[in-house]
Amino acid sequence: KNEVEQSPQNLTAQEGEFITINCSYSVGISALHWLQQHPGGGIVSLFMLSSGKKKHGRLIATINIQEKHSSLHITASHPRDSAVYICAVRGGANNYGQNFVFGPGTRLSVLP
Amino acid sequence: EAQVTQNPRYLITVTGKKLTVTCSQNMNHEYMSWYRQDPGLGLRQIYYSMNVEVTDKGDVPEGYKVSRKEKRNFPLILESPSPNQTSLYFCASSPTVYGGYTFGSGTRLTVV
Repeated sequence: KNEVEQSPQNLTAQEGEFITINCSYSVGISALHWLQQHPGGGIVSLFMLSSGKKKHGRLIATINIQEKHSSLHITASHPRDSAVYICAVRGGANNYGQNFVFGPGTRLSVLP
Repeated sequence: EAQVTQNPRYLITVTGKKLTVTCSQNMNHEYMSWYRQDPGLGLRQIYYSMNVEVTDKGDVPEGYKVSRKEKRNFPLILESPSPNQTSLYFCASSPTVYGGYTFGSGTRLTVV
């Protein structure tokens, strides 16, 4: 079983739709990151979460530590949101960087 | 502009010819790390550095070396590249291991 799983693997939406991408993990973590990788390959860090919820513009990220689950929501989706979204978890306090484990990514296409 | 600069962006080389991929950040970040991204395998951590002269292995360190002699630079060295090191490489930095990450633009390496 992979340590970090994401669903769905691929997602096609119409412009304006509300989108949810899920991430589940099986290891103890100190933080969870959501990354966005554009078609050109560049990676942008969207959120870092250790608890609760964060919002930035149309993006909302939540995490439930007890259930080992995080969601990334995009409201009023737009074609420029088309990208691969990657969930990454970092190990516990005594394992600083070594267990930075990435999910397989969710490829999102938003059609006009 | 705050950024992580990787060079080169593209590189084609031959098996066994030593090469260095440079990574430099201008944000005075303590934490720097290298990743490779392969189809079907996603992103995987190669090496990371908590600060100057402090480096440690990630999940896939075999065939790679790093050094951190200055805070701003974290080069990735392939002493004897092999075709299985053909990949897309990313460098990233953050203020601390817990901070948000800034990624470089990536280096696409082909070893023939």
